[in-house]
Amino acid sequence: DADVTQTPRNRITKTGKRIMLECSQTKGHDRMYWYRQDPGLGLRLIYYSFDVKDINKGEISDGYSVSRQAQAKFSLSLESAIPNQTALYFCATSGARGTFSYEQYFGPGTRLTVT
Amino acid sequence: GDSVTQMEGPVTLSEEAFLTINCTYTATGYPSLFWYVQYPGEGLQLLLKATKADDKGSNKGFEATYRKETTSFHLEKGSVQVSDSAVYFCALGAGSYQLTFGKGTKLSVIP
Repeated sequence: DADVTQTPRNRITKTGKRIMLECSQTKGHDRMYWYRQDPGLGLRLIYYSFDVKDINKGEISDGYSVSRQAQAKFSLSLESAIPNQTALYFCATSGARGTFSYEQYFGPGTRLTVT
Repeated sequence: GDSVTQMEGPVTLSEEAFLTINCTYTATGYPSLFWYVQYPGEGLQLLLKATKADDKGSNKGFEATYRKETTSFHLEKGSVQVSDSAVYFCALGAGSYQLTFGKGTKLSVIP
């Protein structure tokens, strides 16, 4: 089984709809991240969380919110989707407790299309 | 702030050609450096890493050396295969456990 899973893998939604993307991990990591990928722009950080009670905005948090329901679960919500949020979204994890590694491990991604 | 600059693609090579993808960085302190690879339709996978100056990371025939004097971490492979076709991202880790990524370089290898 994959260490980092994302659901759904693909989603088409309409402008103004609320949508939630979910991420689960079995790696036992404390740190979790949400990125979006757009052609030619690389990966941009949306939100990150170092533990259940520690959530931080990234580079492009406007229009997004997150929830860390448990150590292993980190959800990303678009409260009112707009077409320029069409992108590929990745969840990543890092850092077992007590380690100081920067390595991140990525899920397979969610392709979101907002029409 | 921290930044990563990598060569723009796309890069197209014939099978068995030599590959170099340039990556330079700007960071305070002593960052850790990474190369990630993204195959079509998949997430990013860690390809190799180096955590201090002069370290060489290697994996699957790819290599990169952490050069502090030139702030570079260029990716090389002596003989590419069609299966190496992917997007390659250079990244650095410093400070608050975040990675800063380059914009990616798409490699296509033709038979």
